[in-house]
Amino acid sequence: ETGVTQSPTHLIKTRGQQVTLRCSSQSGHNTVSWYQQALGQGPQFIFQYYREEENGRGNFPPRFSGLQFPNYSSELNVNALELDDSALYLCASSRDTGISYNEQFFGPGTRLTVL
Amino acid sequence: AQSVTQLGSHVSVSEGALVLLRCNYSSSVPPYLFWYVQYPNQGLQLLLKYTSAATLVKGINGFEAEFKKSETSFHLTKPSAHMSDAAEYFCAVSLQNEKLTFGTGTRLTIIP
Repeated sequence: ETGVTQSPTHLIKTRGQQVTLRCSSQSGHNTVSWYQQALGQGPQFIFQYYREEENGRGNFPPRFSGLQFPNYSSELNVNALELDDSALYLCASSRDTGISYNEQFFGPGTRLTVL
Repeated sequence: AQSVTQLGSHVSVSEGALVLLRCNYSSSVPPYLFWYVQYPNQGLQLLLKYTSAATLVKGINGFEAEFKKSETSFHLTKPSAHMSDAAEYFCAVSLQNEKLTFGTGTRLTIIP
């Protein structure tokens, strides 16, 4: 069973550019959540996708957007990059089974540096 | 809205000593509570979780945590620290929608 994978591992961009981060969910999982972890901070929830639809969003501006594909993989897109967007971006997948709690499994993250 | 507070951004213990990492939560309804560990340059690994069953929860690597509703706490303990326990630890809370709200983390250092 393959775990959650993310690409790329590291990325360097300049202010104003756009970036796309990718996540492959664990086999059998249909829900993907994205988190931003700034240096020295805990992860902050960006949004969640379930069956290709956004299913909850944290306090992030619209320039943070996402997609989920039929195979349940996902992309995080960030437009008009700002210096404060520099962070580790974590993807987590889970399987919605209809019960109230479904464990999230995290990928290794993508470290984004904005210069 | 739910939140967690981790007391102590840095904790140092001697190898073999008790590990105690503190977490207090705030939630309007009974929450799910978690402890995650993060090693340098890695993602998050679940140590243990409380999902309204037994209040004393045992996790991996010898860690355990006790849910105390009266104190709104979910402190993480390990009887005897090992060098390999050095890492960042995050307490998190969730309601039924799976969104995790994390604390700011506690960096655990083990002194040989």
